[in-house]
Amino acid sequence: DIQMTQSPSSLSAFVGDRVTITCRASQDISNYLAWFQQKPGKAPKSMIYDASSLQSGVPSKFSGSGSGTEFTLTISSLQPEDFATYYCQQYKSYPLSFGGGTKVEIK
Amino acid sequence: EVQLVESGGGLVQPGGSLRLSCAASGFTFSSYSMNWVRQAPGKGLEWVSYISSSSTTIYYADSVKGRFTISRDNAKNSLYLQMNSLRAEDTAVYYCARDVSGRPWSAVDYWGQGTLVTVSS
Repeated sequence: DIQMTQSPSSLSAFVGDRVTITCRASQDISNYLAWFQQKPGKAPKSMIYDASSLQSGVPSKFSGSGSGTEFTLTISSLQPEDFATYYCQQYKSYPLSFGGGTKVEIK
Repeated sequence: EVQLVESGGGLVQPGGSLRLSCAASGFTFSSYSMNWVRQAPGKGLEWVSYISSSSTTIYYADSVKGRFTISRDNAKNSLYLQMNSLRAEDTAVYYCARDVSGRPWSAVDYWGQGTLVTVSS
């Protein structure tokens, strides 16, 4: 089974900051990597698929990169609505697996 | 507009059974694979099960294999999760989630709002 490891597990940032979250896979997953945003008490929202493609309606301040075993999610200018928990997920092989999440908080 | 609406959650005793449903609308349900994903209180996301568009391919997490059964009825635009031999560690919000295609190894694009399952005596 493929293990997904996110870092950091939490971070504090100011509005307007550039934020980067890292996700590492325990083996090569090519670009079979998605990112999700979840706000408290809400369902996850799909943000990025295939490591770098934005889901429909997701603003361009979000970007994803990487291939193989190391991936990043970047938010170019953090806004109040971006404070949430972010999860990566691999879909290269079953069982599918998620990272542990990164909680982005206001500094 | 794509909509996924889960139902069937509730309080059940350990060892009991529950059947979750997910009603889909706003898209051609029979063309898309579906998943169940759960989230225990205060914890992260855990993938539970996958079913392809025609039900020919099914996968389960090891934690539920042999106890849970995923199924779908394309004529009723509905996805199901039959949960037997429930344990306290199955307590979670259960989400249904749509893949971007009808085949395995696709990303999820839409999520339902979730239904809470509580296993407790």
